[in-house]
Amino acid sequence: KNQVEQSPQSLIILEGKNCTLQCNYTVSPFSNLRWYKQDTGRGPVSLTIMTFSENTKSNGRYTATLDADTKQSSLHITASQLSDSASYICVVSPRGLSNFGNEKLTFGTGTRLTIIP
Amino acid sequence: KAGVTQTPRYLIKTRGQQVTLSCSPISGHRSVSWYQQTPGQGLQFLFEYFSETQRNKGNFPGRFSGRQFSNSRSEMNVSTLELGDSALYLCASSLRASGGEQGQFFGPGTRLTVL
Repeated sequence: KNQVEQSPQSLIILEGKNCTLQCNYTVSPFSNLRWYKQDTGRGPVSLTIMTFSENTKSNGRYTATLDADTKQSSLHITASQLSDSASYICVVSPRGLSNFGNEKLTFGTGTRLTIIP
Repeated sequence: KAGVTQTPRYLIKTRGQQVTLSCSPISGHRSVSWYQQTPGQGLQFLFEYFSETQRNKGNFPGRFSGRQFSNSRSEMNVSTLELGDSALYLCASSLRASGGEQGQFFGPGTRLTVL
């Protein structure tokens, strides 16, 4: 069964500090992996997308890495800001997801990040 | 370009009632997918519509249904509500089926509380 596990479940850090969130998956064959940011009461917003051939993708202070061999991804946040407080969700797409295959997307349950001043 | 809009944003119902949620996708997007999000389960796929036809359905009971109109707007209906239906219901639209290269764009969700 395809699974995506994220760790930690929750994290509290001081404003200005860096942090790293983890995503381990068992989806195979693998096509791409996305990281989403979800503010409380809002819908998820895409941060990065990486295909199986990419190792690193950056979006401002957010840097995602991917190791397709170990099936692990991480999201590193640099110089955290109060606005980074949100849930971060990892979503994996299997290869062969061509038409009408959204049911095959596997979502992690997310990491709840809280930034304190 | 306006994002995905969902109405209503909050809803309180009692067990046994039915509810209809609405989603307006980004202009030009033809694919609309619905998800249920609960704290313990994360996002779970309900169904996907493309060109007014349901193309895909997740593992939910028949009480959950939906439809899509010619302007790509979509509605989701839940009949005979149960306490366990309390959740955030998210709608996501995309230009192509199943997101395509650009992926899906999510709406703010409708928070449904069943008492």
